[in-house]
Amino acid sequence: GQNIDQPTEMTATEGAIVQINCTYQTSGFNGLFWYQQHAGEAPTFLSYNVLDGLEEKGRFSSFLSRSKGYSYLLLKELQMKDSASYLCAVQGGANNLFFGTGTRLTVIP
Amino acid sequence: EPEVTQTPSHQVTQMGQEVILRCVPISNHLYFYWYRQILGQKVEFLVSFYNNEISEKSEIFDDQFSVERPDGSNFTLKIRSTKLEDSAMYFCASSGSQPPQETQYFGPGTRLLVL
Repeated sequence: GQNIDQPTEMTATEGAIVQINCTYQTSGFNGLFWYQQHAGEAPTFLSYNVLDGLEEKGRFSSFLSRSKGYSYLLLKELQMKDSASYLCAVQGGANNLFFGTGTRLTVIP
Repeated sequence: EPEVTQTPSHQVTQMGQEVILRCVPISNHLYFYWYRQILGQKVEFLVSFYNNEISEKSEIFDDQFSVERPDGSNFTLKIRSTKLEDSAMYFCASSGSQPPQETQYFGPGTRLLVL
């Protein structure tokens, strides 16, 4: 079975840093993705980790520890437009993605 | 920038009717997917498709569902006899080569409402 856990909601202040955690237990693992999803829209790709460590991409960074089944997405210098749901997704043994329920982030002034 | 497109954006249908959801993947991509998201719930994998056949399907993808690549550009999802619980947003995605090396890019979705 596949189990991917992330917090349901988070709130952070504009200009701050926020860390969204994701833990997973899956029968196969070929990488972990983070997607951003605004309400009523498609998920858009943010980051991909397959090896342990930190991947940095501008204001967004993602970390993976395969031994711990753990990842986080770090968002720096938060902007109001960062208010969205952030989806953790594990690439299973084949081609498909298994998604968590998503973390709804609200950025307040 | 190339993108996945989907039509229609919204579809309302009566229970028991057939619907066909259409997708045009990114032109040089080889792997195609359908996902669905029931309102307020997580994105769920339905099916993956490569080389004109299904690579993998989830338990949601039962005999009521089918996929087809009728020509070189379109990728369709058919639901033969819709049920109320099929109401959801359906996303098509594509990737350029064998995952996980390639990211899956999602289309804007078709919102299906079954009455």
